[in-house]
Amino acid sequence: DQQVKQNSPSLSVQEGRISILNCDYTNSMFDYFLWYKKYPAEGPTFLISISSIKDKNEDGRFTVFLNKSAKHLSLHIVPSQPGDSAVYFCAASPHSGNTPLVFGKGTRLSVIA
Amino acid sequence: ETGVTQSPTHLIKTRGQQVTLRCSSQSGHNTVSWYQQALGQGPQFIFQYYREEENGRGNFPPRFSGLQFPNYSSELNVNALELDDSALYLCASSLGVGLNTGELFFGEGSRLTVL
Repeated sequence: DQQVKQNSPSLSVQEGRISILNCDYTNSMFDYFLWYKKYPAEGPTFLISISSIKDKNEDGRFTVFLNKSAKHLSLHIVPSQPGDSAVYFCAASPHSGNTPLVFGKGTRLSVIA
Repeated sequence: ETGVTQSPTHLIKTRGQQVTLRCSSQSGHNTVSWYQQALGQGPQFIFQYYREEENGRGNFPPRFSGLQFPNYSSELNVNALELDDSALYLCASSLGVGLNTGELFFGEGSRLTVL
């Protein structure tokens, strides 16, 4: 039973354009969401997070949008750069309680120069 | 400030053997979590240690065990290896207490192949 779903295994985008990575969740107790980026032969690194009290969080070229009613979040990268090519994982947890992060399967983003 | 380091980076074992994977957490981080990432999957939570005590466990059998030491190092031990144990094992340290500590700092992982 996948509680965090990233339905697109891969995405290819032209340099300079917008990349949109999507994530859906099923557990209504989740109220804290994170995106991690992973390069080959490296561990995942934290990118950006959002709490359910907000519907948008922005950090430079990266913006995460949260739609609680649809149980959907998305990561927007504008403009996309070749160095953004990596696997992106969506992760979620309840902010209270003692539950670890649940990760999606990841989306491989390729930014083409 | 040093990051999270893991060893070995790659290893090959045969079915039935035992393996020990090591992790050195980021300085000052008292919490360490271990994740298993199978091919094409996201990281799956194995267990977490806080101040040398197991603080939570995912859906993994008892042949997966761990230790945490006072010097911010930790181990993941897997006994009676099975073919399905082939995966990337990730260690992550964090500042918080409890399983939902928010931002995790991951090592580069140890890739285990079981033949």
